[in-house]
Amino acid sequence: GENVEQHPSTLSVQEGDSAVIKCTYSDSASNYFPWYKQELGKRPQLIIDIRSNVGEKKDQRIAVTLNKTAKHFSLHITETQPEDSAVYFCAARKNTGTASKLTFGTGTRLQVTL
Amino acid sequence: DGGITQSPKYLFRKEGQNVTLSCEQNLNHDAMYWYRQDPGQGLRLIYYSQIVNDFQKGDIAEGYSVSREKKESFPLTVTSAQKNPTAFYLCASASGTQYFGPGTRLTVL
Repeated sequence: GENVEQHPSTLSVQEGDSAVIKCTYSDSASNYFPWYKQELGKRPQLIIDIRSNVGEKKDQRIAVTLNKTAKHFSLHITETQPEDSAVYFCAARKNTGTASKLTFGTGTRLQVTL
Repeated sequence: DGGITQSPKYLFRKEGQNVTLSCEQNLNHDAMYWYRQDPGQGLRLIYYSQIVNDFQKGDIAEGYSVSREKKESFPLTVTSAQKNPTAFYLCASASGTQYFGPGTRLTVL
């Protein structure tokens, strides 16, 4: 089955700096890659996603890049703010009808310091 | 996210008891999922259902059971066979994009 590895497990940046979180996946048939942000005690919330027919997607300070050949995708957060502090999860999925389910990475705890 | 509700928010169980966690969605999604999250850990898939009256085991199904009698409902029962059930349980639904419910925090006394 699919395996998703996520690095780093923890990341500390100063406010205003950029943060990058990287994920690799194993199944070349995967074609959908979402990113979720989870604040302490809350539910994971989708912040951005990308499909395999696109190489990059941006939404204000957040961007995701996908390299299908290398089977890796990354989350980029620019001009980080204290409210960006949270755990971030990447995930991968291949649409195979009844077997469709996300495989999650192990998470990255991002701390934005003042 | 507001279209997925879970109840109760907090649940306390004595050892040996079965408990049922509720998950309801009004998003008309076909697919629903249950995850378990231990403190400081990631999301582990317990069960999922792509259609009414059908469901599949996830990675950690032992000690859990589910039903999918209605499209909008996917209750999870934590049985006494689950030896360490204390965790944060998250329900999700999807139609392409997956959204999570607010979660139920289960504690065994």
